[in-house]
Amino acid sequence: EVQMVQTGAEVREAGESLKISCQTSGYSFREYWIGWVRQLPGKGLEWLGLIFPGDSDTRYNPSFQGHVTISADMSTNAVYLQWSRLEASDTANYYCVRLRRNTYDFMWGSFLYWGQGTLVTV
Amino acid sequence: QSVLTQPPSVSGTPGQRVTISCTGSMSNIGAPYDLHWYRQLPGEAPKLLIDGDNNRPSGVPERFSASKSDTSASLAITGLQAADEAVYYCQSYDRSLDAFVFGDGTTLTVL
Repeated sequence: EVQMVQTGAEVREAGESLKISCQTSGYSFREYWIGWVRQLPGKGLEWLGLIFPGDSDTRYNPSFQGHVTISADMSTNAVYLQWSRLEASDTANYYCVRLRRNTYDFMWGSFLYWGQGTLVTV
Repeated sequence: QSVLTQPPSVSGTPGQRVTISCTGSMSNIGAPYDLHWYRQLPGEAPKLLIDGDNNRPSGVPERFSASKSDTSASLAITGLQAADEAVYYCQSYDRSLDAFVFGDGTTLTVL
């Protein structure tokens, strides 16, 4: 059974750094694109980026590139989302997501597996 | 405002059939990238309902079906139930934005 368990809620001041994690299990971590989707309070869904752990190929939504960093650790099967300087506008619920299929052509992909969400309050 | 346009809300009575539309462009649905549907219950993470190959993940009933044509798509729900009240999102990839995109969501109310 695929499981994706995220860090608990975090509260930070603007300007601070933060790294949240998503611990995965139940599948071959290196073979599937995995990444992050955020949801602003009371709003819709926005894709931040994906990483392919097998070769660390990372793709970002241009709207978020440079503001967040996505990384993966194949020794622990975990994916991370990191900020060096948080802004108040980063307050949101962040979900880790995994594509349904283990294909490198991620653009046709759907997000079958979702973590429970990490609420970040800045 | 998303590049995938959904109606803000739809409603129906128990047992009825309802549809939710998702309108895009040649940059996403018409590219043609696959179009997927998700459902989000209050306080929960979204869940994949139907993917672009019309596959339903385990546990999703056949009452949910999807179709796509040119630059638009729709989700149909038959035999509407009170438990279907949720927010429904469509999702695709946009080659102009070089990003996955979601619709703004449609709130389904069962009257």
